[in-house]
Amino acid sequence: QKEVEQDPGPLSVPEGAIVSLNCTYSNSAFQYFMWYRQYSRKGPELLMYTYSSGNKEDGRFTAQVDKSSKYISLFIRDSQPSDSATYLCAMSDSSGDKLTFGTGTRLAVRP
Amino acid sequence: GAVVSQHPSRVICKSGTSVKIECRSLDFQATTMFWYRQFPKKSLMLMATSNEGSKATYEQGVEKDKFLINHASLTLSTLTVTSAHPEDSSFYICSARSSGPGDTQYFGPGTRLTVL
Repeated sequence: QKEVEQDPGPLSVPEGAIVSLNCTYSNSAFQYFMWYRQYSRKGPELLMYTYSSGNKEDGRFTAQVDKSSKYISLFIRDSQPSDSATYLCAMSDSSGDKLTFGTGTRLAVRP
Repeated sequence: GAVVSQHPSRVICKSGTSVKIECRSLDFQATTMFWYRQFPKKSLMLMATSNEGSKATYEQGVEKDKFLINHASLTLSTLTVTSAHPEDSSFYICSARSSGPGDTQYFGPGTRLTVL
């Protein structure tokens, strides 16, 4: 079993839809949780960074962490074609050193 | 803020040659830098962690004599792929972190290496 599981997609939605992206993990030592967006042939761009269980909102993005279920989510409201990218979840233990990534979910938002 | 650059963005070299990739933190001092490798449609795999002025810590299975990492200053780390072979062709991405574990990593734009 992989430490971090993420559905690779692809996920195709119409413009304006609410997108839900999810990751599950098995390592209870993970303390920091991140979502990155990666466009083709580019480096990952940090979208959300959370430490504790609960919700964190930033504009159209909401990150949710449920440590008891070892489950994290990213919601994108009012999705735009420019949101089309691969979304990677990542997490680390208290050292913050080694990020363990999910495989990434490819999202396509249709105009 | 938190901008990380990489140079070159793309490099093509012949088998057997060495290639150096630079990673710079432009607007903050990076006490720790990380080097990742990413294959097409795959996730990022950590290769090594380097702290300024110290030897890099390599992940299991990564040859330290093949992938030389130098972190000589708080804003610059370099990765040298020595005696490159076609199987070293990949997308190499660095990240930088400013201080402690509570700070997240900011990624560079990546370097695509093609070894002929």
